[in-house]
Amino acid sequence: KQEVTQIPAALSVPEGENLVLNCSFTDSAIYNLQWFRQDPGKGLTSLLLIQSSQREQTSGRLNASLDKSSGRSTLYIAASQPGDSATYLCAVNPRTSGTYKYIFGTGTRLKVLA
Amino acid sequence: GAVVSQHPSWVICKSGTSVKIECRSLDFQATTMFWYRQFPKQSLMLMATSNEGSKATYEQGVEKDKFLINHASLTLSTLTVTSAHPEDSSFYICSATTDSNQPQHFGDGTRLSIL
Repeated sequence: KQEVTQIPAALSVPEGENLVLNCSFTDSAIYNLQWFRQDPGKGLTSLLLIQSSQREQTSGRLNASLDKSSGRSTLYIAASQPGDSATYLCAVNPRTSGTYKYIFGTGTRLKVLA
Repeated sequence: GAVVSQHPSWVICKSGTSVKIECRSLDFQATTMFWYRQFPKQSLMLMATSNEGSKATYEQGVEKDKFLINHASLTLSTLTVTSAHPEDSSFYICSATTDSNQPQHFGDGTRLSIL
């Protein structure tokens, strides 16, 4: 059974710092992995989608990497800003039996201090 | 592009009533929609997967007679919580996608409170 874990559970950093959020999954047979941002009481905003054949994806100050063999993905946030404060979730798509439902990690609550 | 609208955003109702939540893809046709439930400070748990024109596939432990899902068109899926009770209070989020190679796009969620 696929399990997704995110470390740390919570993180507080001063503005301007570069930071790394970690996501690990137990079964390397994934179809893709997606990183999301969730603001309090809100839905999810997709940040980056990495297909299983890709190693990384970049969007602005965000860079996500994927190492399927070790069951890990990282989300790198450069020059963090207070507006980056949110919960970050990773989700893996095991794509078994022709479905493509996501299994979500536990999330990392990020607070960037001004 | 790729906007998913969820309605209502917040609902409070008495125990025993049924509540319908709508999920619409506004600018794309969603062949598949997903319904999730999220408890405070916990991650999203998939409840069911719905494909347009067919019956929803429910995850283990989710009562299909309790959570009725209808996906009658490529832009609309509904979740009805029947005879809701306080333990059904939660944050419900839908997502939609065109296929497995594309990202899932999420609605803003519905906060359901049953008194």
